Amino acid sequence: NAGVTQTPKFQVLKTGQSMTLQCAQDMNHNSMYWYRQDPGMGLRLIYYSASEGTTDKGEVPNGYNVSRLNKREFSLRLESAAPSQTSVYFCASSELMGSKETQYFGPGTRLLVL
Amino acid sequence: DAKTTQPPSMDCAEGRAANLPCNHSTISGNEYVYWYRQIHSQGPQYIIHGLKNNETNEMASLIITEDRKSSTLILPHATLRDTAVYYCIVMFSGGYNKLIFGAGTRLAVHP
Repeated sequence: NAGVTQTPKFQVLKTGQSMTLQCAQDMNHNSMYWYRQDPGMGLRLIYYSASEGTTDKGEVPNGYNVSRLNKREFSLRLESAAPSQTSVYFCASSELMGSKETQYFGPGTRLLVL
Repeated sequence: DAKTTQPPSMDCAEGRAANLPCNHSTISGNEYVYWYRQIHSQGPQYIIHGLKNNETNEMASLIITEDRKSSTLILPHATLRDTAVYYCIVMFSGGYNKLIFGAGTRLAVHP
């Protein structure tokens, strides 16, 4: 049981390049999320997916697109990377058990845009 | 905007209790208080949550005031591995929910 996995772990891009960050979970969770974390800051929500086939914008969606490919996978795409998108990206999935909703986070992808 | 206020940093001696406060004066009746922590750039980790009663699990205790406007996370015997940023978050519980992180409290546990 790997939990939430993310690829790649590190990436360096030039301004204007595109890339897709991959996320997969093996816990059969319905909801999945993408966050970004800038140095010294808390996490900010980019996009989320309440269930397979649905996606919605979070706090900071500009410059990103997402795809909920199936129940396991939720990808984040940067179409034209900008230096302001240099950040650590975390994917998460969540389960609801009674009143307890727990989000499980992946290890993160560290992205540097030059 | 985060709906909670936490001190930016705290220190604690190893083996002593760490008491981390959180103010959430605008909390609504059906919002829960959740605590997560983030150890050195890893993904955040769930610690505990509560509605109005005090809660305890294997990691920590959560004390919520009677008016629910503030709470305290207690790590009863802090270790060096508890050094982390601790986030207090209020949110509805049910269906999907978006965690809104503030800056959190950076707890340093020293020998």
